[in-house]
Amino acid sequence: KNQVEQSPQSLIILEGKNCTLQCNYTVSPFSNLRWYKQDTGRGPVSLTIMTFSENTKSNGRYTATLDADTKQSSLHITASQLSDSASYICVVSFAGGGADGLTFGKGTHLIIQP
Amino acid sequence: GAVVSQHPSRVICKSGTSVKIECRSLDFQATTMFWYRQFPKQSLMLMATSNEGSKATYEQGVEKDKFLINHASLTLSTLTVTSAHPEDSSFYICSARDWRGSTDTQYFGPGTRLTVL
Repeated sequence: KNQVEQSPQSLIILEGKNCTLQCNYTVSPFSNLRWYKQDTGRGPVSLTIMTFSENTKSNGRYTATLDADTKQSSLHITASQLSDSASYICVVSFAGGGADGLTFGKGTHLIIQP
Repeated sequence: GAVVSQHPSRVICKSGTSVKIECRSLDFQATTMFWYRQFPKQSLMLMATSNEGSKATYEQGVEKDKFLINHASLTLSTLTVTSAHPEDSSFYICSARDWRGSTDTQYFGPGTRLTVL
């Protein structure tokens, strides 16, 4: 069964600090892994997308890593800002499944405190 | 990036009425769109796949007669919640599939908050 597990479930850090969110998956065969940011009451917005051959990808203060061997990914946020408070969702797609072959993690709820 | 819009952003209706939600891809054509439902503090749950010019494909447990999907053009899909009840209150999100790049990408709409009284 394809599964995506995210940790921690929630996280509170002070503004300016760094943090790392984890994503483990069992999706097979793997196609790509995406990290989305979802503000409360809004739709998810794509941060990064990585295919099998990519180990890291950055988008501003967000850096995602992927280890396809261990089926793990992380999202590192540098110098956090209050606007980073949101849910971060890891989404993995399996090859040939199309977009309806997406498996969503439950997300990490991140709160940045001033 | 591509833009997907939804209308309305929030709607409050009485039990028994029907509500239509629109999803539009603004700068690309989407042969496939998806409808999700999200309950508080939960992940997105796929309800159905909307294919332009053909019938939608519903996930197990989703009533096709209750959640009517129409994808009449390459830029518009609609979800109609028929005879809505309080348990249908949720956050409904659509997404559109963009094939233009080397990797197909899904762009999500901003969501529609439905409250059924």
